Amino acid sequence: NAGVTQTPKFQVLKTGQSMTLQCAQDMNHEYMSWYRQDPGMGLRLIHYSVGAGITDQGEVPNGYNVSRSTTEDFPLRLLSAAPSQTSVYFCASSQVGPGPKQYFGPGTRLTVT
Amino acid sequence: AQSVAQPEDQVNVAEGNPLTVKCTYSVSGNPYLFWYVQYPNRGLQFLLKYITGDNLVKGSYGFEAEFNKSQTSFHLKKPSALVSDSALYFCAVRDNGGANNLFFGTGTRLTVIP
Repeated sequence: NAGVTQTPKFQVLKTGQSMTLQCAQDMNHEYMSWYRQDPGMGLRLIHYSVGAGITDQGEVPNGYNVSRSTTEDFPLRLLSAAPSQTSVYFCASSQVGPGPKQYFGPGTRLTVT
Repeated sequence: AQSVAQPEDQVNVAEGNPLTVKCTYSVSGNPYLFWYVQYPNRGLQFLLKYITGDNLVKGSYGFEAEFNKSQTSFHLKKPSALVSDSALYFCAVRDNGGANNLFFGTGTRLTVIP
């Protein structure tokens, strides 16, 4: 199993540009999520999904869109990048249940200039 | 609303000494608590979790955590620290709203000094 994979590893955008961060998992997990990690703030939830066709907002959803057309893939779209979106982005997946552990991807480091 | 607090940004410990990384939580209802570790330039890795049952939970790499309901704490411990334990540690609590969403603490950087 490859686990959770994310591409790209690094990305530099100019303000106003759009892009899609890719996330895929091969564990047949129903639950997938996106977090951003900022210094001194831990990880904060952006969007999540409990199955194909079902998505919902997390704590910090503004400026981001998601879709879940398949169980395996959960892309995160930045519509119009802003410097405040400079961060490290992590995708995670797990089974659905009362307390499964989550599997995290290696992260995407995004810089918006 | 659920939340966790990690009161120490940095913990330094000598190799071979016991280590403790502190976490307190605030939840309505029964807490589902987790510890994750992040090594440099890597994603988070699961260490252990408390759902119910014994207050002392054993996890990966010799770590354990003690759930204390009266003190609303879930401190991470290891009897003998290794230099390779140096990393960023996150405490997290599951959202009781239904999904598997986690609320993370701000993280504690553990440095084990040879």
